[in-house]
Amino acid sequence: NAGVTQTPKFQVLKTGQSMTLQCAQDMNHEYMSWYRQDPGMGLRLIHYSVGAGITDQGEVPNGYNVSRSTTEDFPLRLLSAAPSQTSVYFCASSYQRGGYEQYFGPGTRLTVT
Amino acid sequence: QQQVKQSPQSLIVQKGGISIINCAYENTAFDYFPWYQQFPGKGPALLIAIRPDVSEKKEGRFTISFNKSAKQFSLHIMDSQPGDSATYFCAHINAGGTSYGKLTFGQGTILTVHP
Repeated sequence: NAGVTQTPKFQVLKTGQSMTLQCAQDMNHEYMSWYRQDPGMGLRLIHYSVGAGITDQGEVPNGYNVSRSTTEDFPLRLLSAAPSQTSVYFCASSYQRGGYEQYFGPGTRLTVT
Repeated sequence: QQQVKQSPQSLIVQKGGISIINCAYENTAFDYFPWYQQFPGKGPALLIAIRPDVSEKKEGRFTISFNKSAKQFSLHIMDSQPGDSATYFCAHINAGGTSYGKLTFGQGTILTVHP
């Protein structure tokens, strides 16, 4: 199993540009989520999904959109990038909602200039 | 918004010493208190977890202790090794309500173990 994969690993955007961060898992996990990691702030939940077709907002959803058309994929879209979205983004999955063991991808380091 | 407060922000320990990281949570129902370990350039990975009806859990050199009355839980790393150098996050999983299943992280502790 590849586990949780994320692309790209690094990305530089200009303010106002849009892009999609890709996330895929091959473990047949129902629950998937996106976090951003900023120094001194831990990991904060952006959006999550409890299954295909079902998504909900996390702690810091503004400026981001998600969709879940399949069990495997959970892309994160930045609608109009802002410097405040400079961060490291992690996708994670777990067997079900409430599972305390979440499997994280390797992350995408995004810089918005 | 439930929070978990973690301390210290950074910790330097000599090889063979004991590393101690503390976390405090707010008064609500939780299911599990996991600890995650993150090496540079990698995603976090589950290290060890404890339920609130257990006061202590040990796995190898890693021990979680839980103090329900003080609303605190801590990670102890015995005989710390340079390979333990990483960022450690405490976390909790909400047991119910609208935030059911939400994993909330502490701010993280950067541990450096000197040889």
